This record gives sequence, C-alpha cells and structure tokens, in this order.
Amino acid sequence: QKEVEQNSGPLSVPEGAIASLNCTYSDRGSQSFFWYRQYSGKSPELIMSIYSNGDKEDGRFTAQLNKASQYVSLLIRDSQPSDSATYLCAGNAGNNRKLIWGLGTSLAVNP
Amino acid sequence: DVKVTQSSRYLVKRTGEKVFLECVQDMDHENMFWYRQDPGLGLRLIYFSYDVKMKEKGDIPEGYSVSREKKERFSLILESASTNQTSMYLCASNPAGSYEQYFGPGTRLTVT
Repeated sequence: QKEVEQNSGPLSVPEGAIASLNCTYSDRGSQSFFWYRQYSGKSPELIMSIYSNGDKEDGRFTAQLNKASQYVSLLIRDSQPSDSATYLCAGNAGNNRKLIWGLGTSLAVNP
Repeated sequence: DVKVTQSSRYLVKRTGEKVFLECVQDMDHENMFWYRQDPGLGLRLIYFSYDVKMKEKGDIPEGYSVSREKKERFSLILESASTNQTSMYLCASNPAGSYEQYFGPGTRLTVT
C-alpha cells in the first residue's frame, strides 16, 4: 500500500516563528511532491512543487526533499495568522497519473 | 490562471435521488479527477479521466459513475444518493505529463 504520512497536528506556532511541516512517503517510485494549503471549508490550493533532492524556496516558503530518507518538508518563515490552515502533502504514484495524499497537518499561527 | 468551476457550492438531496455534479475547466487539460473529502479520511479519489470518453476507477468508485463527453467537462453521477455519500466533492484537473492538480471550489453535498 503506497502511503504518504503526515502528523495531523495541530501544530501551533507564534506569529513570526518558523513553522515546520513534515511528510514521509513509502513509494520509492514517487519523484514529484506537492504541498497544498487548505483553509477550512475551501478547496486545496497548490503552494509548492518539488522534484529534486534539496531545497526549493518561494517567498516565505521552502520545500525540502530527501529521496534517500523518503522525506519531504515545508518550512514557513515569519509565520502569519493567515497561514493558519491545513497543509496537505502529496506525491505522484509512480508513472500513474494519480497523486497519493497525506491526511494533512493542521497549523495554527497565534498572534 | 487555471480556472476550474463546479456547478454548485452547496447541494441538498434526498435519499434515492439521482445527483449530477458538474466540473468545467478552461485550460484545455487532458486529465480530470473527482475526489471526496471527509474528516479524518482525507482526499479519496473516486474516478479520473485522461481523455474524452476515457475513465478509470479510483479508490472508491462504488455508488458513482462519471461522464466525459467534452474535454472541458467532467460529470460525477450518484445514481441513487445515500446518506453515506454526504461529503465535500472536489474536482481537479491537470495537463498531460504534469502531476500538479488544480482544484475547483468544491460542492458540499448533503443527502437526507
């Protein structure tokens, strides 16, 4: 069974701190990974994609991929209350068109 | 910008009714997906389509069918709605060769 696992949280951080969200995956055939943000009652929104080992930065967001450890993370610097949401991690299911989804981590940024 | 729209934001139906949920994308994407999302269960794939008139079952196809007569439109059909199909239904799309999926706003369906 191919899986993507995330801590459900809630992860609580003070405003201005770094939030660190983690994800592990079981399918070594997965090459592409994605972080989605989902506000309560809304649909998931793609915020980061990462395909290679190492770090990828976009504004306050940094995605990290370690294929040897089968580990993906998302760092949010200078966290804001507007970052409070559920963050979903997903990876491709080998050559299949489908994505394998984690259950999400709930993040609360406290003013 | 990718635009995926769904026919309704909220829908209330009675048990046994036939329900149609429609999804339209305006980016000429080949692939389209239907998910349901329930608390504690995450996103679960119901069906997906990689071309007009082509479809594949996802992880939970039972009780659902789909139709894709035109490239931009993908419909989810509940032949006889049941209370356990009360859920948030999400449509997504992406172009061939890409894994990045773009979601519509979702339809919250309540079956009473």
